[in-house]
Amino acid sequence: ELKVEQNPLFLSMQEGKNYTIYCNYSTTSDRLYWYRQDPGKSLESLFVLLSNGAVKQEGRLMASLDTKARLSTLHITAAVHDLSATYFCAVDGGTSYGKLTFGQGTILTVHP
Amino acid sequence: NAGVTQTPKFQVLKTGQSMTLQCAQDMNHNSMYWYRQDPGMGLRLIYYSASEGTTDKGEVPNGYNVSRLNKREFSLRLESAAPSQTSVYFCASSEFGRGSAEAFFGQGTRLTVV
Repeated sequence: ELKVEQNPLFLSMQEGKNYTIYCNYSTTSDRLYWYRQDPGKSLESLFVLLSNGAVKQEGRLMASLDTKARLSTLHITAAVHDLSATYFCAVDGGTSYGKLTFGQGTILTVHP
Repeated sequence: NAGVTQTPKFQVLKTGQSMTLQCAQDMNHNSMYWYRQDPGMGLRLIYYSASEGTTDKGEVPNGYNVSRLNKREFSLRLESAAPSQTSVYFCASSEFGRGSAEAFFGQGTRLTVV
């Protein structure tokens, strides 16, 4: 059974600081996704990571994938208030017809 | 572009009542999914349909049924609602087997069972 664990689950940051969210998963997979969710809203796709060593950046967010370590990271650089949201990683467990197993989510709050 | 559309957005049911959540996508995707979201647990897969004409159970299928009406539409039915089914339900679609298989989500249905 594929398990996905994120940490931390809660992250309170000051504006301008850097931090990393970690996503560990339990079985082999080459497909990992990061989503953002604002309160009461749907999930917005941030990054799609499809191979070992993949790195993608968008603004102050950068995501990477290490399939050998079964680890993905979401790095936040110089946080701003607008980044406050819940972030989920999700793993496609191989030949599973696109079924996703999600982490618990990281609630990020950025303070002035 | 509408993407994935769910109806209704909010619903309150009494225990034992039934209802159907509707989902439609206009991206010509083959695969569709129903997830539920509960606090602190991320999203969990209820049922999925890999392609038109097929459906299969996910992680938490008990108490639910689904119908893949056509390529565009995938409905989720609660036959006899229970308070444990109070949750936010998300429908998603993807083009599994091609490219990134990125999943796109609807706006969600917030269901309360009293």
